[in-house]
Amino acid sequence: QLQLQESGPGLVKPSETLSLICTVSGGSISSSNYLWDWIRQPPGKGLEWIGGIFYNGDTYYNSSLKNRLAISVDTSKTQFSLRLSSVTDADTAVYYCARHVRFSDRFDPWGQGTLVTVSS
Amino acid sequence: QSALTQPPSASGSPGQSVTISCTGTSSDVGGYDFVSWYQQHPGKVPRLMIYDVSKRPSGVPDRFSGSKSGNTASLTVFGLQPEDEADYYCSSYAGNNGFVFGTGTRVTVL
Repeated sequence: QLQLQESGPGLVKPSETLSLICTVSGGSISSSNYLWDWIRQPPGKGLEWIGGIFYNGDTYYNSSLKNRLAISVDTSKTQFSLRLSSVTDADTAVYYCARHVRFSDRFDPWGQGTLVTVSS
Repeated sequence: QSALTQPPSASGSPGQSVTISCTGTSSDVGGYDFVSWYQQHPGKVPRLMIYDVSKRPSGVPDRFSGSKSGNTASLTVFGLQPEDEADYYCSSYAGNNGFVFGTGTRVTVL
């Protein structure tokens, strides 16, 4: 059974870079059938799609974040990563990683999510 | 890109039906048959309930049904159960803009 798990610092200072890793277990990250995405949810608010990556490194980003965003993949470690620079308190959220089925719209499964707080 | 528009709340008694709308534009909901719905209980991970407008993943009760007309997608829950009380979010493919989620709807079982 495929599982995803987010990891990274829970506290980031304003203007610094938020970095998270998603580790995929129970399946391959190199399949051409899937992409690997990040989604976030500020406390008490709705979901926001951040962006995603294909196993070959092709990326697609939310246009509102793309100037600060970098998503990468390490197939040897079955991990993909998120880096968001110049963070503000508006970036405080639970960050989820999820598998995205290619040629479909579904995100499934999701990781458990990790809360990242931006504060000095 | 703007979030898809959902009503903030919806409710029904056990056994009744409730329908949630998700309104977008011709650049997202209306342009593609790629709309999905997620259920989220408080403090929990979103769960996929419907994908590709009307398909149900295995394990999702057939009480959940999705549809689309023009720029508006809908999720109907037939025969409401207490465990259906949760937040529901729609999501749509938006072409070069990737994906966009809805504003979310809190469903209350009276």
